Order: sequence, then C-alpha cells, then structure tokens
Amino acid sequence: KQEVTQIPAALSVPEGENLVLNCSFTDSAIYNLQWFRQDPGKGLTSLLLIQSSQREQTSGRLNASLDKSSGRSTLYIAASQPGDSATYLCAVRDGSEKLVFGKGTKLTVNP
Amino acid sequence: NAGVTQTPKFRILKIGQSMTLQCTQDMNHNYMYWYRQDPGMGLKLIYYSVGAGITDKGEVPNGYNVSRSTTEDFPLRLELAAPSQTSVYFCASSYLARYSTDTQYFGPGTRLTVL
Repeated sequence: KQEVTQIPAALSVPEGENLVLNCSFTDSAIYNLQWFRQDPGKGLTSLLLIQSSQREQTSGRLNASLDKSSGRSTLYIAASQPGDSATYLCAVRDGSEKLVFGKGTKLTVNP
Repeated sequence: NAGVTQTPKFRILKIGQSMTLQCTQDMNHNYMYWYRQDPGMGLKLIYYSVGAGITDKGEVPNGYNVSRSTTEDFPLRLELAAPSQTSVYFCASSYLARYSTDTQYFGPGTRLTVL
C-alpha cells in the first residue's frame, strides 16, 4: 500500500528565505507526483505536476524535483513571501486513477 | 466557467440524521472524486466515478453512498450520520486518459459537524 510522508509538518521562516519541503513515498511505481497548495478554509490548488519520466518542474519561484528510485520529491520555494503561507500537500498517482496524499506541511512566512 | 462547486459550505447534523452533499463541475470532466480531510491529516478518498453510471469505492467508503447519473453531478449521501463523519469533504474532478497529465480540480469543501 502506497504511503506518502511529508517532513516537516510545520515550518516557520522569515520573509525572503529560500526553503525546501520534503515528500517521500513508499512505492516507486508511480505515474506522477503533484504538489498542491491549500489555504485555510479553501480547496486545493495544483502547483506542479511531475510525470514519472521527468526529474523536475518549475513555475515561477517554485521548483519541484522527483527522484523516483529513492521515493523522494522536494518542493523548493525561492525568496519566500508572506503570501506563500499555506499548507502544501504532496500526492502521488499510481497506475490507477487515484491520488494518495501526504498530511501536508504548514508553512508560515513571517514579514 | 465555475469549475467545481459544492453545497452546502457548512452543515451541522445530529447523530442518525442523513444528508446529501452536492457537487457539480462544468468542465466536462469524466472523473469525479469525493475526499474527506480530518484535522492535521491528508485527504482520504471515499468514492470516485469514471463516468456517468459508474462508481467505485475508495479507501474509506463505509457510511457513504454515491451516484452519478450525469457527467456534471456527483452527490455524496451520508446515511445515519455518526460523530466519526465530522470532517471537511472535498469534491474533485479531472479529465483522465491513459497518458493524461491533467490534475484534479477541487471544490471549496463542505465542513460537516455531527453532534
């Protein structure tokens, strides 16, 4: 059974700092991996999707990497801003149509 | 284009009551999903549908029922509500084909409390 773990559970940083969020998964036979953002009281918004054949994806200040063989992904946020404060969720899709989610990392960026 | 909409936003139920959570998407997606999210936890899949008339169980289906009579709508029915069903419920949809890279699009959620 696929399990997804995210470390740390919470992170507080000063504005402007570069930071890394970690995600690990137990079964490397994945189809893709996605990073989502969740704001309090809101639904999830997709940030980046990495196919199993890809090593990384970039969008603006965000960069996500994937090492399928080791079962790891990282989300790098450059020059963090208070508006980046949210919970970040990692999810993997296996050969089926289902996503398995981690518990998330709650990020607080202090002005 | 409203995306995925859910109603109601909030609801309080008494133990043993029943209710239906509504979900509608206007993106002509074939796949639809229901998740629940408990505090400090990730999302767990309750049920999903691959198209009108076809549904299947996810990880935590007990106490819930679904139907999919149209492409747009995917209601979730709670029968005999229990305190363990207190959670935030999210509906999502996606267009999935064999080599699709499409992500899932989420609704804003329904916060349900069972007392």
